Amino acid sequence: EIVLTQSPGILSLSPGERATLSCRASQSVSSSYLAWYQQKPGQAPRLLIYGASSRATGIPDRFSGSGSGTDFTLTISRLEPEDFAVYYCQQYGSSRTFGQGTKVEIK
Amino acid sequence: QLQLQESGPGLVKPSETLSLTCTVSGGSISTSSYYWGWIRQPPGKGLEWIASIYFSGSTSYNPSLKSRVTISVDTSKNQFSLKLSSVTASDTAVYYCARHGYYDSGYVDVWGKGTTVTVSS
Repeated sequence: EIVLTQSPGILSLSPGERATLSCRASQSVSSSYLAWYQQKPGQAPRLLIYGASSRATGIPDRFSGSGSGTDFTLTISRLEPEDFAVYYCQQYGSSRTFGQGTKVEIK
Repeated sequence: QLQLQESGPGLVKPSETLSLTCTVSGGSISTSSYYWGWIRQPPGKGLEWIASIYFSGSTSYNPSLKSRVTISVDTSKNQFSLKLSSVTASDTAVYYCARHGYYDSGYVDVWGKGTTVTVSS
């Protein structure tokens, strides 16, 4: 099973700042089959990024994904108030597993 | 627009079987492009994929849960279902039904709102 480790666990930032979230895999994720999701309290997750770097429909361009192999990054260029949430990475190259999440909170 | 809706008991006793159904509306479950799956989230914790099924009945399971899980599909009702046997308190979670593709489309693009299941006597 591929284990995904996200860091940091909590990221405290102010609106307008840049957020950089990391997702590291225990073994290489085939063909960059990695997605990022955003989850707000009481809501289902929402797809942000797939294929490591492709934005899902309707996702603002301040969200970007990068990486390959075992190291992946989600970047939010300038945090908007609605971006404070929990973010999960998921690999779907070998079965499917999720990271434990990174909470982006208001500083 | 495609919508998924979970239904089932909110309270299950320990050692019993948890049963949930997901109803698909706004589209057909019998599409060649997608799998239909279940994902859960214990209170305050992360997401865990449980199982997925294709409309033809082909299934895949999380190895850690496989011995207790059965997923099935009813194309005539546009529904798919989950059964989790011998539940314990650690199975308490929000259960989401979801749609995902395969290979390079294996990400989840549609989620249900989720249903809370508590395991308690």
